Amino acid sequence: GNSVTQMEGPVTLSEEAFLTINCTYTATGYPSLFWYVQYPGEGLQLLLKATKADDKGSNKGFEATYRKETTSFHLEKGSVQVSDSAVYFCALRVAGYALNFGKGTSLLVTP
Amino acid sequence: SQTIHQWPATLVQPVGSPLSLECTVEGTSNPNLYWYRQAAGRGLQLLFYSVGIGQISSEVPQNLSASRPQDRQFILSSKKLLLSDSGFYLCAWSGGLAGGSSTDTQYFGPGTRLTVL
Repeated sequence: GNSVTQMEGPVTLSEEAFLTINCTYTATGYPSLFWYVQYPGEGLQLLLKATKADDKGSNKGFEATYRKETTSFHLEKGSVQVSDSAVYFCALRVAGYALNFGKGTSLLVTP
Repeated sequence: SQTIHQWPATLVQPVGSPLSLECTVEGTSNPNLYWYRQAAGRGLQLLFYSVGIGQISSEVPQNLSASRPQDRQFILSSKKLLLSDSGFYLCAWSGGLAGGSSTDTQYFGPGTRLTVL
């Protein structure tokens, strides 16, 4: 079946540190891949996406590259800010309607 | 631009009471609509989706139901709440395509925090 595995949190970083949140997937077809972010008490916001192998999604300084050979879509940011503290969800979509989500990774950035 | 609304934002209900959560979308026509639940410490679980008025598909059998009385309105209901129904309920939409399929990206509402006591 289709599934997403992402690193367990919480991840705690100092401001301006480099961020990597790992995400790997299994899929029966050719998925589109997504990163969503959830700030405290809010719904999910689309952060970035990639629809085919070697695509790079980017937004607000975050990047992720669709790696078919390693079935990965790791999220990176060169210099995190306190305002980046949130829960980050990796997700995939193959045919059909459902998004398959990972369990989420909580990020806390301290000043 | 498109916006998605959910209400109420928070709700505390006793076990055995009924439930009605509402979701509306503005700025788009014939969207595909979704209800997800996010339980504490767990990921998101798709509960229902709808590709059109009166068309509901259930992903997980349980004591919840969904209805779509209008094109841009999606309602989540229960006749009798259980403790295990507590969680954060998220409504989402995506673009509907001919033949009943959907565009890739789903856009989420602000969510409803439900506590069943």
